[in-house]
Amino acid sequence: GNSVTQMEGPVTLSEEAFLTINCTYTATGYPSLFWYVQYPGEGLQLLLKATKADDKGSNKGFEATYRKETTSFHLEKGSVQVSDSAVYFCALSGVTGGGNKLTFGTGTQLKVEL
Amino acid sequence: GAVVSQHPSWVICKSGTSVKIECRSLDFQATTMFWYRQFPKQSLMLMATSNEGSKATYEQGVEKDKFLINHASLTLSTLTVTSAHPEDSSFYICSAGGFNQPQHFGDGTRLSIL
Repeated sequence: GNSVTQMEGPVTLSEEAFLTINCTYTATGYPSLFWYVQYPGEGLQLLLKATKADDKGSNKGFEATYRKETTSFHLEKGSVQVSDSAVYFCALSGVTGGGNKLTFGTGTQLKVEL
Repeated sequence: GAVVSQHPSWVICKSGTSVKIECRSLDFQATTMFWYRQFPKQSLMLMATSNEGSKATYEQGVEKDKFLINHASLTLSTLTVTSAHPEDSSFYICSAGGFNQPQHFGDGTRLSIL
């Protein structure tokens, strides 16, 4: 079956530091890949997505590249801010649309300090 | 972007009462809605998938008589926790997906049963 593995948190960084959160996946076929962010007490917000190999998703300074050869979708940001503190979830689904189940990783908490 | 509204955001009630949570897609037709449960500092656990006009599909281990799901229209799904008990206390999140739409999440409902 499908599965997503994320690095365990919490990850604590100083403001303006470089961020990498690792995500690898196991799936049959050609899944779509997503990063969601959850701020305290809120639901999940779609941060970025990629639907095929070598696609790069980007949003708000965050980037992730769909690497089929390494089955990875690592999240990166060049300079984090305190406001980026949240929990980040990597996820995959079987198709691009919203009608298929998402398989989530366990989430990685990011804490950014001044 | 697409918006999903979930209501109420927070509810406290006595043991034995039933609680209804609404999930609305505000600007697109949601052919599929998903209901998740999230325990503190954990990932989302999919409870059920509902397609408009048909019965929900429950994940293994989820009691369908306990968690009633109705998806009567393309913009509204409801989750009713029947005869709620303290062990049902949790954070419940819905998401909605449609044609060419990734899943969009509501802000969640924090349910506390006394």
